[in-house]
Amino acid sequence: AQSVTQLDSQVPVFEEAPVELRCNYSSSVSVYLFWYVQYPNQGLQLLLKYLSGSTLVKGINGFEAEFNKSQTSFHLRKPSVHISDTAEYFCAVSGTTSGTYKYIFGTGTRLKVLA
Amino acid sequence: DSGVTQTPKHLITATGQRVTLRCSPRSGDLSVYWYQQSLDQGLQFLIQYYNGEERAKGNILERFSAQQFPDLHSELNLSSLELGDSALYFCASSVVSRGAGELFFGEGSRLTVL
Repeated sequence: AQSVTQLDSQVPVFEEAPVELRCNYSSSVSVYLFWYVQYPNQGLQLLLKYLSGSTLVKGINGFEAEFNKSQTSFHLRKPSVHISDTAEYFCAVSGTTSGTYKYIFGTGTRLKVLA
Repeated sequence: DSGVTQTPKHLITATGQRVTLRCSPRSGDLSVYWYQQSLDQGLQFLIQYYNGEERAKGNILERFSAQQFPDLHSELNLSSLELGDSALYFCASSVVSRGAGELFFGEGSRLTVL
């Protein structure tokens, strides 16, 4: 069965500094990978997704992620963060076992951008 | 606005009671997913429906059940409620059934069991 591990529960970073949020996944078959963001009192919204092709994926708000099959990772990066990036970030994997797709989320990483 | 509507937004009830959470997916989306978000367990996948049929099942308790109706709205029924069922319940919809698409989330239904 597939699973997602987000290694950091909280990441504090100063404004305009770079950030990397880590995500590792496990799955026995091909997967689709996603990053979602959740702002306070809101539902999740998609930042970016990897389905196939180029391993470097660019998303909204200046975020990008790199799919690394050998390390089963899909880390999220931003070269310069803003206060408005403070939110919770979820990595997700969608894959199939026995023909049934399950869309599984990690436990989330709370990004706190400091002034 | 994601286009996914969940009602009620807040619900307070007592242990042992039963509640129903309702979700209207985005227009045109055939897949509906239910998730439970709690502080200690993150976002747990409960169940997925596609065009009225159950498509995938996650960590859904036997006390919980769901269905998707012909008009594609979905309901999640929670019965014999326990304190530990207090959580934020999200519904999400997608146009595809096989996991390659974006999920559009509602704003959630916050359930408090006293």
